[in-house]
Amino acid sequence: QQQVKQSPQSLIVQKGGISIINCAYENTAFDYFPWYQQFPGKGPALLIAIRPDVSEKKEGRFTISFNKSAKQFSLHIMDSQPGDSATYFCAASHLRDSNYQLIWGAGTKLIIKP
Amino acid sequence: GAGVSQSPRYKVAKRGQDVALRCDPISGHVSLFWYQQALGQGPEFLTYFQNEAQLDKSGLPSDRFFAERPEGSVSTLKIQRTQQEDSAVYLCASSLYTGEQYFGPGTRLTVT
Repeated sequence: QQQVKQSPQSLIVQKGGISIINCAYENTAFDYFPWYQQFPGKGPALLIAIRPDVSEKKEGRFTISFNKSAKQFSLHIMDSQPGDSATYFCAASHLRDSNYQLIWGAGTKLIIKP
Repeated sequence: GAGVSQSPRYKVAKRGQDVALRCDPISGHVSLFWYQQALGQGPEFLTYFQNEAQLDKSGLPSDRFFAERPEGSVSTLKIQRTQQEDSAVYLCASSLYTGEQYFGPGTRLTVT
């Protein structure tokens, strides 16, 4: 029930294309869904996050789509660039009960081909 | 402003040695987290501090792992009698209540 399942494990996208990474969760108590971007040798960096009261959040080229009934959320990277090549992690948390623990997906290694 | 910093960035220890890993959180951040990240995997929660209080240490893998944050700012993760399975990247993150955790660059520990 605590798991967050992320797919695909790896993804290759042409420059300028749309990268889509999906996550699914079971625990309906989760109320905070961040995405992190991690480059080799660096710590994860918070990219964008969403709460379940909205279905979509956009920041620049990055969009989170959230489907509460399906218990799924996804990251879309528009106009993907070689600099977007990194590992992306989705996560979930239950902040309402001050449950700070992030439950992480397994990660998606994204490669953008020039 | 300055982000989360960690030192050392790399540490090689012989099996059986004790190591201490330091984390300097973002100034004013109340919450501090330690994670362990194995190669090719997501971070795994180790422990959580709110100010100087260690509220959750359920993720610490054994009693050889110990963390402290005595003044509610800098934190140290100590591993006693290191084993090869302790080799990993140790990440520190800080947060200002909101749930948005900001990570440091990590310390890569290699136990030989």
